[in-house]
Amino acid sequence: DAKTTQPTSMDCAEGRAANLPCNHSTISGNEYVYWYRQIHSQGPQYIIHGLKNNETNEMASLIITEDRKSSTLILPHATLRDTAVYYCIVRVGMNRDDKIIFGKGTRLHILP
Amino acid sequence: GAVVSQHPSWVICKSGTSVKIECRSLDFQATTMFWYRQFPKQSLMLMATSNEGSKATYEQGVEKDKFLINHASLTLSTLTVTSAHPEDSSFYICSALPPLTEAFFGQGTRLTVV
Repeated sequence: DAKTTQPTSMDCAEGRAANLPCNHSTISGNEYVYWYRQIHSQGPQYIIHGLKNNETNEMASLIITEDRKSSTLILPHATLRDTAVYYCIVRVGMNRDDKIIFGKGTRLHILP
Repeated sequence: GAVVSQHPSWVICKSGTSVKIECRSLDFQATTMFWYRQFPKQSLMLMATSNEGSKATYEQGVEKDKFLINHASLTLSTLTVTSAHPEDSSFYICSALPPLTEAFFGQGTRLTVV
């Protein structure tokens, strides 16, 4: 079973920041928070991951609370191409044998 | 970056026939690959873990005799849907993890059984 809970759907105006929350209250000390997204009829795409510090890359920022029980993915300037289902996943690092279990994700609609 | 490629992107087959889907890691060796199935408006469901040189590990409820997985080389895993029926119509996705990096996913294969 997925170890995360996310809102079913969210809307965001184009050009604004999209903030996607995720709860992972049972996360273990050695588990990372990963975010993937899936654009319609495509395979999932990696966005970002973190352990306990906030992270930023060219796609997004990841804010993890101090107790690590929740996190927020931030898309700073959302575009129509960011319309997708976003999955928050917890897993133990990058062990190649560690399977990824998907929850239901958040369906993000970017509005023109 | 690392790429995982699936083939075909889509396939239509007649009920009762078998269909093979290929998953290749293009620039890295993958001793482990994962197969997922996704029905419309639902999340990805892990079907099985494909292990190079050994038997696949199937998730609970997935019929191993119906979904045959072969991982004969370090860059190729295949999923064969045997005696396909309309209820097997779905979007099938594979995944692999290159060393010390995040998981990559194939572009998916849409199977339609008529």
